[in-house]
Amino acid sequence: LAKTTQPISMDSYEGQEVNITCSHNNIATNDYITWYQQFPSQGPRFIIQGYKTKVTNEVASLFIPADRKSSTLSLPRVSLSDTAVYYCLVPSSNTGKLIFGQGTTLQVKP
Amino acid sequence: GAVVSQHPSRVICKSGTSVKIECRSLDFQATTMFWYRQFPKQSLMLMATSNEGSKATYEQGVEKDKFLINHASLTLSTLTVTSAHPEDSSFYICSARDPWDTETQYFGPGTRLLVL
Repeated sequence: LAKTTQPISMDSYEGQEVNITCSHNNIATNDYITWYQQFPSQGPRFIIQGYKTKVTNEVASLFIPADRKSSTLSLPRVSLSDTAVYYCLVPSSNTGKLIFGQGTTLQVKP
Repeated sequence: GAVVSQHPSRVICKSGTSVKIECRSLDFQATTMFWYRQFPKQSLMLMATSNEGSKATYEQGVEKDKFLINHASLTLSTLTVTSAHPEDSSFYICSARDPWDTETQYFGPGTRLLVL
């Protein structure tokens, strides 16, 4: 399983773009990169997933460089409701297991 | 995205009793489900992998006789905490993998267990 490393916390203000970078140096060829968001007392919510280059959906963008050893989740124009813990994960392509790290606690201030 | 439900959302029980938590995939069939536990201000910890029609596989340090997992159908997995003790109080979360979208896991809303 690829281990991931991301900042423990980040602060931002409403309306700003937030970029959270995650490193996954030992990612395997078939592995995807997945990001989840978790609010207190709720299960994680899927945000975005990618394999290479750039993926965009209605919520976020995910940038993955050619070597795939890192990825950056980009949240455009955050609001107070984006305050949450964000997890970068690389599921095992064989077992599907997810091993959660500490995640990044994003605090959005008014 | 796919929907996963859990029941109950919260439960309080007395020490020594057993508690069953259900995890259902509502709009897809899941051959594989996962159970996690999360203590306050900590990350999710994978407890076990639930496989439909076969025995669950447990992570190191998780007692299989204490946390009984049954995955009897393609849409239902249950976790039974047997002889619960106060230290078992936690937030239990399940997830399911859509076989048509194997790279993505969808999580349930979680079950808050309080053992008195």
